[in-house]
Amino acid sequence: NAGVTQTPKFQVLKTGQSMTLQCAQDMNHNSMYWYRQDPGMGLRLIYYSASEGTTDKGEVPNGYNVSRLNKREFSLRLESAAPSQTSVYFCASSELDALNTEAFFGQGTRLTVV
Amino acid sequence: QKEVEQNSGPLSVPEGAIASLNCTYSDRGSQSFFWYRQYSGKSPELIMFIYSNGDKEDGRFTAQLNKASQYVSLLIRDSQPSDSATYLCAVKGYALNFGKGTSLLVTP
Repeated sequence: NAGVTQTPKFQVLKTGQSMTLQCAQDMNHNSMYWYRQDPGMGLRLIYYSASEGTTDKGEVPNGYNVSRLNKREFSLRLESAAPSQTSVYFCASSELDALNTEAFFGQGTRLTVV
Repeated sequence: QKEVEQNSGPLSVPEGAIASLNCTYSDRGSQSFFWYRQYSGKSPELIMFIYSNGDKEDGRFTAQLNKASQYVSLLIRDSQPSDSATYLCAVKGYALNFGKGTSLLVTP
């Protein structure tokens, strides 16, 4: 059981380049999330998808777009990368409507924008 | 944005001691609370969750919740060097809202 799989694990981009981070989960979860983690800042929510076909902005959505391709897959796109987007990106999934809604995380993507 | 506050640390405790990690939250309507552990360069992993006032024990870990004071804590008994990590407190809203984490160092 793979859980949550993110690709790629590492990426270096030049300012202005675009790229898509891929995420897939095999736990049949309805909800999926994209977080970024910067030193001293904790995990900040970029976008989330409560269910297939819906997406909503989180705390730091500027500069990003998302697509919930199907129930399994949730991608994050940087249209024009900026150095401020250098971060570690985590995808997560969970069942939303339960008190004990544990979120399972992918292994992360370390992105550097130069 | 509902806030989740943690002391960033580092919190240093000797091996075998009790480590106490604290978290406060601003949304009085919050119902579910989670503690994640994150080793350097790794993804967060769940330690335990709690949603009822009082204590919840799981092995060496005890979560404590006081909704009136909007306070949740994690106690780690018999701390081991392998417990050295960052501990993230999270509160359930439409997604998990995380604190900035507390760095714990357990010294041999």
